[in-house]
Amino acid sequence: NAGVTQTPKFRILKIGQSMTLQCAQDMNHNYMYWYRQDPGMGLKLIYYSVGAGITDKGEVPNGYNVSRSTTEDFPLRLELAAPSQTSVYFCASSLGTPGWGTEAFFGQGTRLTVV
Amino acid sequence: GENVEQHPSTLSVQEGDSAVIKCTYSDSASNYFPWYKQELGKGPQLIIDIRSNVGEKKDQRIAVTLNKTAKHFSLHITETQPEDSAVYFCAASRDTGGFKTIFGAGTRLFVKA
Repeated sequence: NAGVTQTPKFRILKIGQSMTLQCAQDMNHNYMYWYRQDPGMGLKLIYYSVGAGITDKGEVPNGYNVSRSTTEDFPLRLELAAPSQTSVYFCASSLGTPGWGTEAFFGQGTRLTVV
Repeated sequence: GENVEQHPSTLSVQEGDSAVIKCTYSDSASNYFPWYKQELGKGPQLIIDIRSNVGEKKDQRIAVTLNKTAKHFSLHITETQPEDSAVYFCAASRDTGGFKTIFGAGTRLFVKA
């Protein structure tokens, strides 16, 4: 059972480059999330999705875009990479909203460095 | 804006001792409080959670208490073991008036053998 799979695990980007962080889950979860984790800080929500075709902004959406064409996949797009986007990115999924006590499962993370 | 304060940022205990991590939240609409354990190089993993209509929950060596009036919740780990060493995050979530989860900054726990 793979759970939540993120690719790549590591990436170095130059300023202004673009890339897509991939996230896939095989648990048939409706909800998917993208977080970033800066050193010594908690996770901050970038975008989330409550189902295929539906996405919404989180706390820190600027500089990112997402899409949800299928239940399984939730890619995160960086169009013009900036040093401020250097971070560890986590994708997560849950069956329902955390407010209903459904567990969020996290991927292993993608460490991104923008130079 | 809403926030979650977590203390201490670092905690070092002797194997077998207890560890307590405390969090305070500001959003009174929060109704779900999970705790996550993050080991080096891995994603956070849920270890215990509590909903707003419950004051305490226990799972073997781990317990969580919630004081809604004070907007305060705590994680208690008893009989700590070296494998408990990790970073622990608290979070406060709500799903009314828009979905939101706010994480604390984390506590790095060291358990010395």
